[in-house]
Amino acid sequence: GENVEQHPSTLSVQEGDSAVIKCTYSDSASNYFPWYKQELGKGPQLIIDIRSNVGEKKDQRIAVTLNKTAKHFSLHITETQPEDSAVYFCAASKGGTGGSYIPTFGRGTSLIVHP
Amino acid sequence: KAGVTQTPRYLIKTRGQQVTLSCSPISGHRSVSWYQQTPGQGLQFLFEYFSETQRNKGNFPGRFSGRQFSNSRSEMNVSTLELGDSALYLCASSQGQLSGNTIYFGEGSWLTVV
Repeated sequence: GENVEQHPSTLSVQEGDSAVIKCTYSDSASNYFPWYKQELGKGPQLIIDIRSNVGEKKDQRIAVTLNKTAKHFSLHITETQPEDSAVYFCAASKGGTGGSYIPTFGRGTSLIVHP
Repeated sequence: KAGVTQTPRYLIKTRGQQVTLSCSPISGHRSVSWYQQTPGQGLQFLFEYFSETQRNKGNFPGRFSGRQFSNSRSEMNVSTLELGDSALYLCASSQGQLSGNTIYFGEGSWLTVV
C-alpha cells in the first residue's frame, strides 16, 4: 500500500519567516495530494491540494509543489503569522475507476510561529 | 453550506462499555469515512461507506463497526471499550465520485475511556 513520510515533525519559525514542510510517497499511481491544517481541538481543514497533472499551485501565502519523478511534494507558507501555528498533514491518494478514495496521511508537522 | 457535523463532541466511557458516534455529512455527499486520531499513531483509517455499503475497511478489530443510512448519515460503534480506544474520532465526507476526491472533516468526537 501507499506510504507517506512527512518531515519535519516539528517546525519552529519567527513571524514573517517562510516555512516548508516536505512529504514523500511510495505509490507512483497516487495522483491527488491534499494538505490539511488542524488547530488545537478542531478537525483537520483542507487548505490546498494539487493533482498530478500540475507542478505547482498557489493560494495567497501558501503554495504546494509536486515532483512526480521524485515522488515528493511540499507545502510552502510565506510571511508566516502566529495564526498559522497548527499541525499540518499531507496526504496522497488515487482517484480511479473504482470511485473509491482513501487517502494515506503523513504523521503531521507541528508548526509554531513565534511573534 | 453546512459542514460535517459530529455528535457528541466529548464523551467519557468506562472500559467494557460500548459507544455510538454520529456523523452528518455535507449535503450532497454520499461517502462517509471514519478515522481514529491518537498522538502516537496519527490519522488511522477505520472504514468508508458509500450508498449505505461499506466500501473500504482499515485494519481495526471487529469491535469497531459502522453503518450508513439512506440519507448518508453515518454512525460508528465501538463495543467492549478498552483504554487504548481513547482518541479523537473524525468523520469525513466526500462526493465519493471519480473526480470528487476531496474529503472534508468534521470537528471530531473526543472519546475518553476510563
